[in-house]
Amino acid sequence: QSVLTQPPSASGTPGQRVSIFCSGSTSNIGSNYVYWYQQLPGTAPKVLIYRNDQRPSGVPERFSGSKSGTSASLAISGLRSEDEADYYCGAWDDSLSGHWVFGGGTKLTVL
Amino acid sequence: QVQLQESGPGLVKVSETLSLTCTVSGGSVRTETFFWTWIRQPPGKGLEWIGNIYYTGTTKYSPSLKSRVTISVDTAKNQFFLQLSSVTAADTAVYYCARGSQPKVWGQGTLVTVSS
Repeated sequence: QSVLTQPPSASGTPGQRVSIFCSGSTSNIGSNYVYWYQQLPGTAPKVLIYRNDQRPSGVPERFSGSKSGTSASLAISGLRSEDEADYYCGAWDDSLSGHWVFGGGTKLTVL
Repeated sequence: QVQLQESGPGLVKVSETLSLTCTVSGGSVRTETFFWTWIRQPPGKGLEWIGNIYYTGTTKYSPSLKSRVTISVDTAKNQFFLQLSSVTAADTAVYYCARGSQPKVWGQGTLVTVSS
C-alpha cells in the first residue's frame, strides 16, 4: 500500500480535461514539493511537473499541477490519444529520517 | 545533457546479492547540487524508492529495504552502485537510477530477475 494515494484508473475522451488526484499527509505533501511523472508503456518514467506546478522544458502547457494542503492534482487539458499512460505522484516524506514516496499510479485511458 | 545508464546481471539467484551500476555521462556525480537515486518497479506494478547517495557518501534508504540495501559511489569512475542482499522473487523488477533526491532525470532501467 502506497504512502500517497491515487485512483488506480482514470479516463476521458479526446479534447476533454482530466484531473488525477494524489492524497498524502502533513509529513509529505503537506510540507514538501510534489512531482508528477508520466510513464508510457515500456519506457522509463519522465517528469511532467516538478515543485508542485513547474513544467520542464518540452512538456506541453496542457499539463498543469497544483497543490493544496495535503493533496495535489495533475490536470491534463485537450486530452490526446498519446496521453494514455501511467501517471505517478511523488514527494519527499520527512518521517523515519526522510525518504521519497510515490503514489500507486493512475492508468489513464483515452477512450 | 546528463544521461544515466544502468548495468549489471539480468539474472540473480535467490538468497544472493543483486549488484547494479549506474554510469553517469554529461555530468559529474561529484556535484554539490544533486543526490543520486535508485528506484525499482516490479513487473506490472508501481514505483518503489530504494534510496539515494550524495557524492560524499551520505546515504538515505527506504525504511522497508534498509536492512538489505547498500548504495555507494565512485567519483573517479563517475558511477554509483546498488547492492541488495538476500534477494527473493519479490525483488524481481526493473531497476532505475536517477539524478536528484527528487528524481528528475532517469536512466532507461534494467530488468533484474530473481530465480532459483
